Amino acid sequence: AQTVTQSQPEMSVQEAETVTLSCTYDTSESDYYLFWYKQPPSRQMILVIRQEAYKQQNATENRFSVNFQKAAKSFSLKISDSQLGDAAMYFCAYRSLREYGNKLVFGAGTILRVKS
Amino acid sequence: NAGVTQTPKFRVLKTGQSMTLLCAQDMNHEYMYWYRQDPGMGLRLIHYSVGEGTTAKGEVPDGYNVSRLKKQNFLLGLESAAPSQTSVYFCASSYQVGRAEAFFGQGTRLTVV
Repeated sequence: AQTVTQSQPEMSVQEAETVTLSCTYDTSESDYYLFWYKQPPSRQMILVIRQEAYKQQNATENRFSVNFQKAAKSFSLKISDSQLGDAAMYFCAYRSLREYGNKLVFGAGTILRVKS
Repeated sequence: NAGVTQTPKFRVLKTGQSMTLLCAQDMNHEYMYWYRQDPGMGLRLIHYSVGEGTTAKGEVPDGYNVSRLKKQNFLLGLESAAPSQTSVYFCASSYQVGRAEAFFGQGTRLTVV
């Protein structure tokens, strides 16, 4: 079974600065997808960014980008020019393409605090 | 454009009581999932469904049952609630494609006293 590990329970960043959230995963598969979800205090789960494992190019979405290292099974999220609205819980998630149900497996989450 | 709707949003149960959480999606998604979120543990899969009339166990299925009689609805039942089932419950749905994002409901905060 796949596992996802987020080793940073909590991170802090100054407004306008850059922060990187770490994620590692364990799988024997070669085709899969990785996601970062944001959960603000409203509890809503919001997709931030996705990465296809077959693509070498790192995904970017405006101020959000990832560093995908397939061999190392690492998938970190970089937030540039941090804003107060970025404060939230961030979850890394793995999705198998081959397993029945294509289930999402989540890490434990990282709480991001943004200081003004 | 409702997306995924969970009912209720909050509930307090006494130990031993039963209840059903309803998840409804209007995106014609094949796959639906029930997760629970606990501090320090992320989201853990309880049960899931790959289509109308199908259900399967996830990582933490004990104490829960599910049904998917209609494609758009996925019900999660607690037959005899226990304090260990105090949690936030999320329903999610997606298309039958691995790259597709999963869309989540707003969550149900359940407290069992």
